[in-house]
Amino acid sequence: DIQMTQSPSSLSASVGDRVTITCRASQSISSYLNWYQQKPGKAPKLLIYAASSLQSGVPSRFSGSGSGTDFTLTISSLQPEDFATYYCQQSYSTPPTFGPGTKVDIK
Amino acid sequence: QVQLVESGGGLVKPGGSLRLSCAASGFTFSDYYMSWIRQAPGKGLEWVSYISSSGSTIYYADSVKGRFTISRDNAKNSLYLQMNSLRAEDTAVYYCARRDTAIQSAYYYYYYMDVWGKGTTVTVSS
Repeated sequence: DIQMTQSPSSLSASVGDRVTITCRASQSISSYLNWYQQKPGKAPKLLIYAASSLQSGVPSRFSGSGSGTDFTLTISSLQPEDFATYYCQQSYSTPPTFGPGTKVDIK
Repeated sequence: QVQLVESGGGLVKPGGSLRLSCAASGFTFSDYYMSWIRQAPGKGLEWVSYISSSGSTIYYADSVKGRFTISRDNAKNSLYLQMNSLRAEDTAVYYCARRDTAIQSAYYYYYYMDVWGKGTTVTVSS
């Protein structure tokens, strides 16, 4: 199975900050990488698929980049509704595996 | 609107069984692969199983193989997860999710879970 890691595991940031979250795969996964946002008590929400494609309806302040083993999710200007946990997930092979998550909270 | 609604969760004793259901609406259910994903209390997301649009292709996580069975009824727009021999470590919120596909350059197929239900809680405890 492909192992996914994320860093940092948590971060504190202020509204308006630029936030970057890193995801690393244990082997090359090309661009088969998705990002999800989850708020407490809610289901995950797809933000980015295929490493850099923005899901319909997701604000343009979210962007994804990377290929191979290293990926990043960037929030260009953090908004109050962005405080949540973010997960990466590889879709290169079965089983699809998720990273452990990065919790973004208010500084 | 596009919607998935899970049901069937509850409290069950170790070794017991439970059947989860997921009702789909707002899209052509029979066109999509479907997945179950779970989240233990305070933990991250764990993929459990998926089933192809026709039901002919099925995969399971090693942690549930031989104990859980995924199925679907396209006539009823419904997805199921039969869970047997339940263990304490199966305690989680169980989500059903639709798997969509983006095709790039007519060659690369990118899969992602774009629609999720709100989840149903399964608690395994004596």
